[in-house]
Amino acid sequence: QVQLVQSGAEVKKPGASVKVSCKASGYRFTSYVMHWVRQAPGQRLEWMGWINAGTGNTKYSQKFQGRVTITRDTSASTAYMELSSLRSEDTAVYHCARDLLPSGSYTYGYWGQGTLVTVSS
Amino acid sequence: DIQMTQSPSSLSASVGDRVTITCRASQSISNYLNWYQQKPGKAPQLLIYAASSLQSGVPSRFSGSGSGTDFTLTISSLQPEDFATYYCQQSYTTSYTFGQGTKVEIK
Repeated sequence: QVQLVQSGAEVKKPGASVKVSCKASGYRFTSYVMHWVRQAPGQRLEWMGWINAGTGNTKYSQKFQGRVTITRDTSASTAYMELSSLRSEDTAVYHCARDLLPSGSYTYGYWGQGTLVTVSS
Repeated sequence: DIQMTQSPSSLSASVGDRVTITCRASQSISNYLNWYQQKPGKAPQLLIYAASSLQSGVPSRFSGSGSGTDFTLTISSLQPEDFATYYCQQSYTTSYTFGQGTKVEIK
């Protein structure tokens, strides 16, 4: 069965960067797009960007453009999301989510358990 | 960005009740509308995609309808495990925005 297992919680200071990993299993990693979605306290879910795990092509939300980088390691079936220049408003749970369809549907069919990133001085 | 607005923001219902949640898009999104369920401390789970298609493994008491700008999620007979927060999400165009959520609580 499809499983997405994310790295553990992080505490960072303002201005620092964080890199979250998402290890996939149970399907052919390179056949699907992987998305990153975050949920800040009291805020709605928010799409950050995606990576085509086969080609490595990426697309980012304008809101995070310039601060977010999504990469993947096909040999490890793992996707990564790095967010830089962290500020307190970036405190949130960050999820990876696999697209429902191989063709790409921007529908989040399977989710990682989430990684809490806390930004505090 | 397309704005997604859910109503109500919360509701109280009893086991066995029929529950309806509405989602409205700020512009037409055809049928590019998905519904998710989220329980406290857990990741969201896909229930309905493309407005009315039931995700594999999801109970048939969940159904979705609508197109254009107005959509509905219906739970035909609320079960104890259905008390959760429900989100709609448009997959029509970036930034694939979500509604603010509807919390379904026990009456």
